[in-house]
Amino acid sequence: EVQLLESGGDFEQPGGSLRLSCAASGFTFNSSAMSWVRQAPGKGLEWVSTISGSGDDTYYADSVKGRFTISRDNSKNTLYLQMNSLRAEDTAVYYCAKEVAVTGEGIFDYWGQGTLVTVSS
Amino acid sequence: DIVMTQSPDSLAVSLGERATINCKSSQTVLYSSNNKTYLTWYQQKAGQPPKLLIYWASTRQSGVPDRFSGSGSETDFTLTISSLQAEDVAVYYCQQYYSTPLTFGGGTKVEIK
Repeated sequence: EVQLLESGGDFEQPGGSLRLSCAASGFTFNSSAMSWVRQAPGKGLEWVSTISGSGDDTYYADSVKGRFTISRDNSKNTLYLQMNSLRAEDTAVYYCAKEVAVTGEGIFDYWGQGTLVTVSS
Repeated sequence: DIVMTQSPDSLAVSLGERATINCKSSQTVLYSSNNKTYLTWYQQKAGQPPKLLIYWASTRQSGVPDRFSGSGSETDFTLTISSLQAEDVAVYYCQQYYSTPLTFGGGTKVEIK
């Protein structure tokens, strides 16, 4: 059974940093690209970032480019999102999502339960 | 960026009746070299993460009931629930994966009339 367990969400002040983690199990981790998708309270879904199965290729939404860094440790079956220079508009539930393909095609077949990031002064 | 526009924002349908959700992309999401349409549909129930229903515009994900179907091409797409069940109450999102940034529609809330 595929399981994705996010952690690291917290309350942070504007300009601060947080690191999200997503522990994966139940599938061959390095055979799947992984992504972060966020959802602001009461709002729709917004793609944040994707990393290929090998970790060689990364992609970012313009809204987070230069501030967020996606990475993975295939030896630990864990996905990360380093979030720097946080803004109020980054407040959201952050979902870790498994992709069908190794190269990051954009089809998310499994999602974690999400972790809440709140940015406020 | 490809803008995805869903309609209606919400709809109420009687149990057993058909529900139809529309999604329009600002440019084609049909890749002519492989004739594949880069569009998915997700279902999100209250307090839960999204669940993949349909990909390649019309391919049902394993385990998804056959009352859910996707259709359309190029820029206009439809998700149909042929006979609404109580457990189908949710928000439904379309998403294009033709190009980055990946983009979602604003969502359509489906309720029971």
